[in-house]
Amino acid sequence: DSGVTQTPKHLITATGQRVTLRCSPRSGDLSVYWYQQSLDQGLQFLIQYYNGEERAKGNILERFSAQQFPDLHSELNLSSLELGDSALYFCASSVEASGSNEQFFGPGTRLTVL
Amino acid sequence: KNQVEQSPQSLIILEGKNCTLQCNYTVSPFSNLRWYKQDTGRGPVSLTIMTFSENTKSNGRYTATLDADTKQSSLHITASQLSDSASYICVVSRAYNTNAGKSTFGDGTTLTVKP
Repeated sequence: DSGVTQTPKHLITATGQRVTLRCSPRSGDLSVYWYQQSLDQGLQFLIQYYNGEERAKGNILERFSAQQFPDLHSELNLSSLELGDSALYFCASSVEASGSNEQFFGPGTRLTVL
Repeated sequence: KNQVEQSPQSLIILEGKNCTLQCNYTVSPFSNLRWYKQDTGRGPVSLTIMTFSENTKSNGRYTATLDADTKQSSLHITASQLSDSASYICVVSRAYNTNAGKSTFGDGTTLTVKP
């Protein structure tokens, strides 16, 4: 158990809908990262937050947004969902902001868009 | 462009055999290299993390090597077990960069261990 929690575990929704994925980092970690992993693909970095502030953006679509709250949990919002958004979404956390140290991954949220 | 390339893409071995996975990178300047194990449908779990000065690091039956001069790393798995079946991901991080997200992920090697 990495100490990173993600909810929900599974999510099934329809095209055009909006969903929110939630992540709680390990105790003491200030950075939260979001990744997308489509079927049989590698991890794609989406966005990072550090202590409530956006730190870096990767390949995140404009239909997606995220935020980190004062208690350090983070939410990833996906809107106007398309079939291609079906994927595993992972959250990871680390102590510091640089993104270059060890990241601890959550169990993921499996999103299925029908 | 900072890249991380892993080979082979997939590998099938018999239980009890050894295997070696490769990771070549062009990320610069180098900060560290990490190997993760990802079971199907689960989050990656860290196996090793190596800095510039480290050549070898072991974690049980997993041994990672790093040659910072040639920008190559390998992950050697000894006496493989069925539970080693997973994807192994190489991640290389840049140094001296104020931009976060500076870890570059390889696409992974999918290892299947058969009885």
